[in-house]
Formats: sequence, structure tokens, C-alpha cells
Amino acid sequence: EVQLVESGGNLVQPGGSLRLSCAASGFTFSSYWMHWVRQAPGKGLVWVSRINSDGSIISYADSVKGRFTISRDNAKNTLYLQMNSLRAEDTAVYYCAREVLRSSGSHHFDYWGQGTLVTVSS
Amino acid sequence: QSALTQPASVSGSPGQSITISCTGTTSDVGGYNFVSWYQQHPGTAPKLMIFDVSNRPSGVSNRFSGSKSGNTASLTISGLQAEDEADYYCSSYTSSSTYVFGTGTKVTVL
Repeated sequence: EVQLVESGGNLVQPGGSLRLSCAASGFTFSSYWMHWVRQAPGKGLVWVSRINSDGSIISYADSVKGRFTISRDNAKNTLYLQMNSLRAEDTAVYYCAREVLRSSGSHHFDYWGQGTLVTVSS
Repeated sequence: QSALTQPASVSGSPGQSITISCTGTTSDVGGYNFVSWYQQHPGTAPKLMIFDVSNRPSGVSNRFSGSKSGNTASLTISGLQAEDEADYYCSSYTSSSTYVFGTGTKVTVL
């Protein structure tokens, strides 16, 4: 069974840092592109960042570029999101999501974690 | 990348059909047949309902169907049921090799 379990969410002050983790199991983690998607309270889903299977291709939304860093450890089956210079507007539930296998020729998210809440407030 | 445009809310009576639209640009919805739809109940993670415009994952009811014309994709729910009450988001692959989501639609079963 595919499982994605996020952790690391917390209350942090503006300007602070936080590292989120997403532990993957039930599939060959090293074969999949992975993404972070966030959802501010009462708002919609927003794509944040993605990393390819070996970590060599990375992209970010403009709103987090230069402040957030996505990475992965395929030996530990874990995806990370290092968040620096946090702002109030970064307050959201952060989901990790698996992109369907690239060799399928499709592009969509087939599995999601349950999310972890990041609150940026003084 | 601007969010795809969806109606804020759509409602229908049990048994009826409803359609949710999702409008983008030629750089996303109009440029690729990689539109997907996600259902989200309060406090839970999104669930994939439709991928590649009109394909259903195994386990998703055939009451859900998708289509696309130009820069606008649509999700139709037929035979509306109480359990279909949720938020729905479209998503598209983009010319930047990233993804963009829709603004979200709250479906209410009257």
C-alpha cells in the first residue's frame, strides 16, 4: 500500500525556518518525481515545488523561490522541504504528492499525504 | 502561473447532474491533455477523480466524467449523491513542466 506521511509542521515566528519531511513507503520511491502542494486555511491548493527521481531537476513556484529548498534522500525514502525566511502568507497545510510514473506518459498526482500544518505567526 | 478559473460553488439535488468548468490558457489546459480533477472533503487530503482529461482511476464511480474543449475543461457528476458534497479542484500540467491548480469549487447537494 502506498503511503506518504508528512511531518515537521509547527508554529514558527516570521523570519524563522522549518524543515518538513515526507516519509514514503509501499512503492519504489527512487523511481518517482515528487511534489509539495500547500493549502492556506480555507483556501485552494497551490503547487509549491517538485523534484525529479534522482534530485537533479528541481522547480519552485515564484512565491517560494529563493526561500524554500526541496530535496530527497532515496536511501531513506524521504522527501524534504526546507523553508527559510517564513512569512505569514506561508501559513498552510503542506501536502507531499506523488506524480504518476513519468514513463506512463501522463502527468497528474496519484497519491497524496495527509498533510502537515505550518503556522507562521508571532 | 495564474490559477485556473473555476466557479466558486455549484449545487444540485440528489440524482441530478452538475458540471464544473475549469478555464486556463494555451500554456496549460489548452496546450495539454493532462487535466486532472481532485475531490477534497473537509480536513482530508485531495483524492484523484479524473486524469488525462477524461480517464477515471480504478475505484472511482463512473458517475464522474471529464471533458475538454479549447482552454476549458469540465467535470460532470451525474446522479448526484450526498457523498459527492465536497470541494473539487482541477489541475493542469503546464508549459513550464510544472502544475497549476484551479481556484476550487464547492459542490453542495441540496
